[in-house]
Amino acid sequence: DTEVTQTPKHLVMGMTNKKSLKCEQHMGHRAMYWYKQKAKKPPELMFVYSYEKLSINESVPSRFSPECPNSSLLNLHLHALQPEDSALYLCASSPRVDNEQFFGPGTRLTVL
Amino acid sequence: RKEVEQDPGPFNVPEGATVAFNCTYSNSASQSFFWYRQDCRKEPKLLMSVYSSGNEDGRFTAQLNRASQYISLLIRDSKLSDSATYLCVVNRDNTGKLIFGQGTTLQVKP
Repeated sequence: DTEVTQTPKHLVMGMTNKKSLKCEQHMGHRAMYWYKQKAKKPPELMFVYSYEKLSINESVPSRFSPECPNSSLLNLHLHALQPEDSALYLCASSPRVDNEQFFGPGTRLTVL
Repeated sequence: RKEVEQDPGPFNVPEGATVAFNCTYSNSASQSFFWYRQDCRKEPKLLMSVYSSGNEDGRFTAQLNRASQYISLLIRDSKLSDSATYLCVVNRDNTGKLIFGQGTTLQVKP
């Protein structure tokens, strides 16, 4: 298995909803990442997990809450989002933080 | 000034053309370098890692010049399927924080 999977592919939520994004990899990678990408812009890093510990939080608002239950799984919990949070949310993984990263297909999120 | 700078293009070239993309980075302590391609509404896909000795993968050649803080990507014999946005990416301090250029758009026409 040489891919990163993400669910759901699309998500529409209201500003009062709570939802979660899920990311999974079975490549034995020990670093996992969340990125946010707006149209016609490059991805922006949100969080880095290394060996299941949060190592970087790029000053992301607390309405985004990451979780790494084990070395294969990464979640992003969403609560009280704003319409401007609508974007493509990409998960990535790499063997370690100093290696090239492999991206999942993303979750396209719309906040109404 | 952005930490990683690319010419956004677009580059419009005919099939079979050779096209070169350039990228500069400002942090001399940057450790590792990559080119990714991204198709419209898809995820970035790793094209190549870039090494000081240069590396080649089929029609694609990447070069790194640490002294000039310059990275290049050469595509030979362009195909229609090469049409995409090419992202120059730097792993600045090997913490996993990738710094992306704004991307260069390539359109290969028949």
